[in-house]
Amino acid sequence: GAVVSQHPSRVICKSGTSVKIECRSLDFQATTMFWYRQFPKKSLMLMATSNEGSKATYEQGVEKDKFLINHASLTLSTLTVTSAHPEDSSFYICSARVASFEQYFGPGTRLTVT
Amino acid sequence: GIQVEQSPPDLILQEGANSTLRCNFSDSVNNLQWFHQNPWGQLINLFYIPSGTKQNGRLSATTVATERYSLLYISSSQTTDSGVYFCAVGGDSSYKLIFGSGTRLLVRP
Repeated sequence: GAVVSQHPSRVICKSGTSVKIECRSLDFQATTMFWYRQFPKKSLMLMATSNEGSKATYEQGVEKDKFLINHASLTLSTLTVTSAHPEDSSFYICSARVASFEQYFGPGTRLTVT
Repeated sequence: GIQVEQSPPDLILQEGANSTLRCNFSDSVNNLQWFHQNPWGQLINLFYIPSGTKQNGRLSATTVATERYSLLYISSSQTTDSGVYFCAVGGDSSYKLIFGSGTRLLVRP
């Protein structure tokens, strides 16, 4: 149980375009989902906390107008990178919290902006 | 916020050897998880262990919350154990996880 999926797994886009990444909890309802970013050979850094039916809470230094998060249902959260630039290229990972504190992670989305 | 330190940063083992990975944290926690990140980037849940001891096959973990550290033991290591091991902790009602910098493990045949 506790399976989290992400789509797409890999995306290449041109500078200036927007990209949407989906995160789904497949076999449970997730009140809270989280979005992380990971640079090569680095650790995960939390970008934002997404609660169903309410606005996301962004970590300090994360531009909320660039990284739009929508948590439309208990099984789906989306991250939209708006007006992407090469410096936005990264590995984006979502997670979902089960009833306790434990989090399960999606397989990640590798974004390349050319 | 909570600081998380993992050691060692890198570890090279011969297949069959045992190892201990450490995670120190700076404040009381209500969540501590160990993960293995495979070469494709997927984070695999190993243990949810804010306190106590758990075992799963060749892996076991112990968290001593009062002394603010956790240990991950890998016994009889295999080449498939290679990858990065992360410790992540949470300490408040926000449910946020703060990740350590990871231990990069390479198991040689």
